[in-house]
Amino acid sequence: QLQLQESGPGLVKPSETLSLTCTVSGGSISSSFYYWGWIRQPPGKGLEWIGTIYYSGSTYYNPSLKSRVTISVDTSKNQFSLKLSSVTAADTALYYCARRIAVAGTTYFDYWGQGTLVTVSS
Amino acid sequence: DIQMTQSPSSLSASVGDRVTITCRASQSISSYLNWYQQKPGKAPKVLIYAASSLQSGVPSRFSGSGSGTDFTLTISSLQPEDFATYYCQQTYSTPMYTFGQGTKLEIK
Repeated sequence: QLQLQESGPGLVKPSETLSLTCTVSGGSISSSFYYWGWIRQPPGKGLEWIGTIYYSGSTYYNPSLKSRVTISVDTSKNQFSLKLSSVTAADTALYYCARRIAVAGTTYFDYWGQGTLVTVSS
Repeated sequence: DIQMTQSPSSLSASVGDRVTITCRASQSISSYLNWYQQKPGKAPKVLIYAASSLQSGVPSRFSGSGSGTDFTLTISSLQPEDFATYYCQQTYSTPMYTFGQGTKLEIK
């Protein structure tokens, strides 16, 4: 059974860089069938797609965050990572990693991590 | 950017009720629309993909319809475990995605 697990600091200071890692187990991140993504959810609010990466390193970012986001992949560790720079309180959220699958000409996120709460505060 | 608007934002219903949630896209997205269910403290779970295809393992009381700009998620007979928040997601602009703001389904 595929599992995704987010890890990283739960508290980040304003103006610093948020760094999270998603470890994939029960399957290979190098599979050609899947992309891997980050989605966040501020407390009590809705879902926001942050970005997606392919095992080859191709990345796609939310235009509203693009100037601050970097997503990378480490196939040797079966992990992918998120860096978000110059954070503010507005970046406080539950951060999820997820697998994106393509089926019948469409795509969706079929496996998700449990999420990790990151609070931006001094 | 494609904007997704759900209605209502919240909804109260009783066990056994038929419930419909609507999602509207700011431009035509064909059938590139997914529905997710999120329970408190849990990650979202996909229910419907491609507007009307039921994800494996999801009960048949869930159904989706629509194309173009207007979509609906219907629960034919509400069960206690269905009280949750529901989100639509457009994938027309893959690999860029946007979600609706969510509809919270509460017990009446």
